Amino acid sequence: DAGVTQSPTHLIKTRGQQVTLRCSPKSGHDTVSWYQQALGQGPQFIFQYYEEEERQRGNFPDRFSGHQFPNYSSELNVNALLLGDSALYLCASSQDMGRLNSPLHFGNGTRLTVT
Amino acid sequence: AQKVTQAQTEISVVEKEDVTLDCVYETRDTTYYLFWYKQPPSGELVFLIRRNSFDEQNEISGRYSWNFQKSTSSFNFTITASQVVDSAVYFCALSEGPYSSASKIIFGSGTRLSIRP
Repeated sequence: DAGVTQSPTHLIKTRGQQVTLRCSPKSGHDTVSWYQQALGQGPQFIFQYYEEEERQRGNFPDRFSGHQFPNYSSELNVNALLLGDSALYLCASSQDMGRLNSPLHFGNGTRLTVT
Repeated sequence: AQKVTQAQTEISVVEKEDVTLDCVYETRDTTYYLFWYKQPPSGELVFLIRRNSFDEQNEISGRYSWNFQKSTSSFNFTITASQVVDSAVYFCALSEGPYSSASKIIFGSGTRLSIRP
């Protein structure tokens, strides 16, 4: 049973460019959340997708956008990259299950470097 | 406002010593969840434990134990007889509301634990 998978594992982009990161949730999970983890810090919540809709959003600018597909996989897009966007981007999945809920399972992340 | 504070930035102990990682949280909600995650060098966040705000029972899982005290808003994590494989960054985290899978998680800044052989 595959866990959360993210691609690519590493990425180098130039300031001003756009980037797309991808995430496949753990089998059976329908909710995907994205987190940004700067070096030496804890992860920060970007947004969460459920039923192909953005359900919650953290304190990130509109340059950060996302999408969830019918198969529950998700993409994170960042436009007009800044040096400060360099970070480890973590995807997490969970199973909503109505009034039951599962803990988040995280992927290995995508290391984005903006030069 | 929600906040998680891990005052210990780095801890280094010799193998087989016991070590406690401190976590203090702030929330206005009466219903919330607390978590501990482990992050080895590979980067993946490994789920260790989730407790809800109504369950203050301490928990033990092998060499790991957790002490939840609402009176002091703390959720401390103790590793007994530490091993080199325990070396990692450990994060304490909080989510508000009754459904942790539907809520954003607020992470502390992490404690880097180094176990020396």
